[in-house]
Amino acid sequence: EVQLVESGGGLVKPGGSLRLSCAASGFTFSDYTMIWVRLAPGKGLEWVSSINSDSSVIKYADSAKGRLTISRDNAENSLYLQMNSLRVEDTAVYYCARGDRYGSGSSIPGPYWGQGTLVTVSS
Amino acid sequence: EIVMTQSPATLSVSPGERATLSCRASQSVSSKLAWYQQKPGQAPRLLIYGASTRATSIPARFSGSGSGTEFTLTISSLQSEDFAVYYCHQNYDWPLTFGGGTKVEIK
Repeated sequence: EVQLVESGGGLVKPGGSLRLSCAASGFTFSDYTMIWVRLAPGKGLEWVSSINSDSSVIKYADSAKGRLTISRDNAENSLYLQMNSLRVEDTAVYYCARGDRYGSGSSIPGPYWGQGTLVTVSS
Repeated sequence: EIVMTQSPATLSVSPGERATLSCRASQSVSSKLAWYQQKPGQAPRLLIYGASTRATSIPARFSGSGSGTEFTLTISSLQSEDFAVYYCHQNYDWPLTFGGGTKVEIK
């Protein structure tokens, strides 16, 4: 059974840092692109970042560039999101998702998502 | 950045009725368009990819159509479990983007 379990969320002050983790099991982690997506209160879904299977291709939303860093450890079957210089507008539930490729486009969040971890940025 | 615009923001529908949700891209995304359903407190669920292909285990009452800049998600006969927020998502170009969502509520 495929499982994705996020951790590391919490309350942090503006300008602070947090590191989110996503533990994967039930599939060959090193074969898949992994993706972070967030849902802010009262807002819609926002794609945050994607990392391909060997970390050679990394993409970010403009809102994440320079402050959020995606990484993975294939030996540990884990995905990470290092969040620095946090802003109030980064408050959201952060989901990790397995990227699945359908046709010729970029991998998209497929059927497998974590339950989400809440990040609250507030003074 | 490709901007995805969904309409309407809220759709009030009675159970058993048909629901039609629209998604427009600011430039062509070919058929690189997916639809997701999200309920409160739950992770999103992939419904449609490639604009019109149902994901595994998605009921046949969900269908997607369109290409280029105009897309539609149709729910042929709304069931109680279908009341949720629906998002379109383009994977044609970076950065990947979602629409703002359409909330389907009970009329």
